[in-house]
Amino acid sequence: NAGVTQTPKFRILKIGQSMTLQCTQDMNHNYMYWYRQDPGMGLKLIYYSVGAGITDKGEVPNGYNVSRSTTEDFPLRLELAAPSQTSVYFCASNPGQGARSGTGELFFGEGSRLTVL
Amino acid sequence: AQSVTQLGSHVSVSEGALVLLRCNYSSSVPPYLFWYVQYPNQGLQLLLKYTSAATLVKGINGFEAEFKKSETSFHLTKPSAHMSDAAEYFCAVTNSGGYQKVTFGTGTKLQVIP
Repeated sequence: NAGVTQTPKFRILKIGQSMTLQCTQDMNHNYMYWYRQDPGMGLKLIYYSVGAGITDKGEVPNGYNVSRSTTEDFPLRLELAAPSQTSVYFCASNPGQGARSGTGELFFGEGSRLTVL
Repeated sequence: AQSVTQLGSHVSVSEGALVLLRCNYSSSVPPYLFWYVQYPNQGLQLLLKYTSAATLVKGINGFEAEFKKSETSFHLTKPSAHMSDAAEYFCAVTNSGGYQKVTFGTGTKLQVIP
């Protein structure tokens, strides 16, 4: 199993450009998440999904969009990139069982480092 | 609502000394608690978790944590620090009531001095 795979690992964007961060998992997990990590701020939840076709906002959703057409994939779309979106982005998954997130343990990808200039 | 507070953004210990990283939580229902470790330029990996079984939880690499409901704490300890323990450590909380979101603390960077 590859686990959670994120691409690209690094990307530099110009202000106003758009891009998609890809995330795929091969563990058949129901729940998937996108976090951003900024120095001294910990991880902030951007969006999450409890299954294909179901997504919901986290703490910091503004400027981002997601979709979940399959169990495996959970891409994060940045529209009109701004310097404030410079961050490290982590995708994570959790087995989930119906309405429950099980014990809540998350499996993380290695991160995507985005710089907006 | 749920939250965790990690006291100390940076902790330095000598090699061989006790490691103590502090975490206090807030949750309106019984919590599930976690410690994750992040090595440079890597994702987070689970160190240990508390899910309402034994209050003293043992994890990987010799770390352990004790759930204390009266103190709303879940501090991480290791009797003897090793150079390879240098990393950033995150405390996290979710709850046992089927809530999907996991909330992270702001992290503590552990420096191990030779």
